[in-house]
Parts: sequence; C-alpha cells; structure tokens
Amino acid sequence: EPEVTQTPSHQVTQMGQEVILRCVPISNHLYFYWYRQILGQKVEFLVSFYNNEISEKSEIFDDQFSVERPDGSNFTLKIRSTKLEDSAMYFCASSEALRTGLEAFFGQGTRLTVV
Amino acid sequence: GESVGLHLPTLSVQEGDNSIINCAYSNSASDYFIWYKQESGKGPQFIIDIRSNMDKRQGQRVTVLLNKTVKHLSLQIAATQPGDSAVYFCAENVSFKAAGNKLTFGGGTRVLVKP
Repeated sequence: EPEVTQTPSHQVTQMGQEVILRCVPISNHLYFYWYRQILGQKVEFLVSFYNNEISEKSEIFDDQFSVERPDGSNFTLKIRSTKLEDSAMYFCASSEALRTGLEAFFGQGTRLTVV
Repeated sequence: GESVGLHLPTLSVQEGDNSIINCAYSNSASDYFIWYKQESGKGPQFIIDIRSNMDKRQGQRVTVLLNKTVKHLSLQIAATQPGDSAVYFCAENVSFKAAGNKLTFGGGTRVLVKP
C-alpha cells in the first residue's frame, strides 16, 4: 500500500538553527500539506501546496517557514530560525486531487525538539 | 470563527461494547467531514468520511452521523476491540474552496478499551 514517508523521525536542534523536514508524498498525488501537533494538542494546518506554489497557509506559517518541492518526489518544510515553541510533531500529508470526498494520507510524522 | 471541538476528552469502554465519540463544529460552510484515528507515535489514519448532503454513512464496524441542524458529528464504533484504543479526531473541510483542501481538526478524544 502506498504511503507518505517522512524523515527524520526525530530531530533535535538548538534554538535559532535552521531545520529541514523531509517528506516523500504518494507518487500520483498532486496536493501536499504540512500540519503540526504540539504535544497533547490538536493537529493544526500549516500549509497546502499545489502546482509548485502555496495554495493556502495558516497564521502559524509565518516568514520563518517555507516549503519546497525540489524534485519530483520530495516535499520539504524549512524553519529558518527555530524557536522553542516550534517543538512539535510535524506531519506531511498528500492527496490525489481536489474534490469532495477526497482522503488526505498522513505520514508518520517528524518529532522536532528545539532546545 | 471556525472551530471544531470535542465534548469528551477520554472515553473508557469495555471490550465488545459500542463506542460513541462526539464532535461539534461551528463553521456552517463546512461540507465535508472526516474521522481520523491516531495511535501513539503515528500520524492520523483515515477512518471514514461524510459529505454534508448525507446524514449517515457506514463503514466496517464504524458509522458516522451528521446533524447539520445542530452542527454535530459522531462516530460510532461497534463491538470495540483493544486495537481501537487511540485518539480520535474529527476534521472538517470547506471543499468548494478554490484550492488547499485544508482540514480543521478537533481537539481529539482518547478511547481506552478495557479488556
């Protein structure tokens, strides 16, 4: 069964450092997403990406965040200067197309710890 | 504002009994709803979805009910099994938006199945 894969599974970084979280979406999917989940809280939308551009972003996704699809398979989330409050589980998701009744498949997540 | 919330943070259920998980949403523009299951250390896993033109949908051992009048969503799990122990999230989507397919998640309900 196809799946969304994320690397690394756990990333520890010092405050102020840049991190790149990597995702390989399902191969025939066209829409890509990043969500995050702070420990014990609900899953929050960060950004959606289609046709090589951001289609929607939340207020969380400020200038410190960026996304990129550098090649035909990877989808990355970069945090330029990490803050303690960026510590969370980050989930990548992908979906085949934009229509009602469409399922978004989630990866296993990257746990980011900022120290 | 947009919000999706859950009434019960933790639900303990005896193995073999039925479980009912509730969710309230406030965005009347939402027309697509999904229930996700999240096991410890994993990403959200799709369980079942429902469109706003329906009030009930059944899957394997699961039923989702939608009451648009009171903006309420529920997930019923029949004959709950130990493997059903997880956190369950409802999520909503405004599918007619031009792009993005953003999901707004509720706060989650933890289901604990007692043997």
